[in-house]
Amino acid sequence: TVVTQEPSFSVSPGGTVTLTCGLKSDSVSNSHYASWYQQTPGQRPRTLIYNTKSRSPGVPDRFSGFILGNKAALTITGAQADDECDYYCALYMGNGIVLFGGGTKLTV
Amino acid sequence: EVKLVESGGTLMQPDESLRLSCVASGFDVSYDYMSWVRQAPGKGLEWVSILYGGDKTHFAYYADSVRGRFTISRDNSKNSLYLQIDRLRVEDTALYYCARSSYDIRLGYYFALWGQGTLVTVSS
Repeated sequence: TVVTQEPSFSVSPGGTVTLTCGLKSDSVSNSHYASWYQQTPGQRPRTLIYNTKSRSPGVPDRFSGFILGNKAALTITGAQADDECDYYCALYMGNGIVLFGGGTKLTV
Repeated sequence: EVKLVESGGTLMQPDESLRLSCVASGFDVSYDYMSWVRQAPGKGLEWVSILYGGDKTHFAYYADSVRGRFTISRDNSKNSLYLQIDRLRVEDTALYYCARSSYDIRLGYYFALWGQGTLVTVSS
């Protein structure tokens, strides 16, 4: 997998967690226009973050995106039970191509 | 209401062909960038294809895994997006999502609106 994510992560209710999105053989920068998607079982993905740090309409400010070192990152503050689901990042690789990471299963 | 509704998914045999459809409501697909993203059972998301909008409607790009077998297209009169899948493989088994996309150097490259998906199963 070219785009790497932690397979799983655990956070306590009310806690803060940072998920990351990297590249196997490069650094992630703003020019990769990282986006983040949340998916609960049996549901379509929900867009959380686009263009590295912009929140989609209706997404609470508990979710924030940024560049952390050589990776894109998604921080969730005040974790809630319904934050427990899968999170996917996607990176723009140029020439019209977007690649998804393998996803992170978050346990609250 | 702005929404996307996919259809066309079914049980197919290897090497057969299938066309998936996605009808848009609340916006005009002729101007928008539209994508297909798939998800194999129990697996992650995989970008499949993008069809550009605006003044670049003839531009289409495909993932390496499907290039040469998949063709994305749209019918503006029906406000619909399509995905023609030829020479189906077992590994094409997935839930196929249609997504209204943003491919913009200012706003970014992402999937803003998702349909509910249509399931394609390929098995002999």
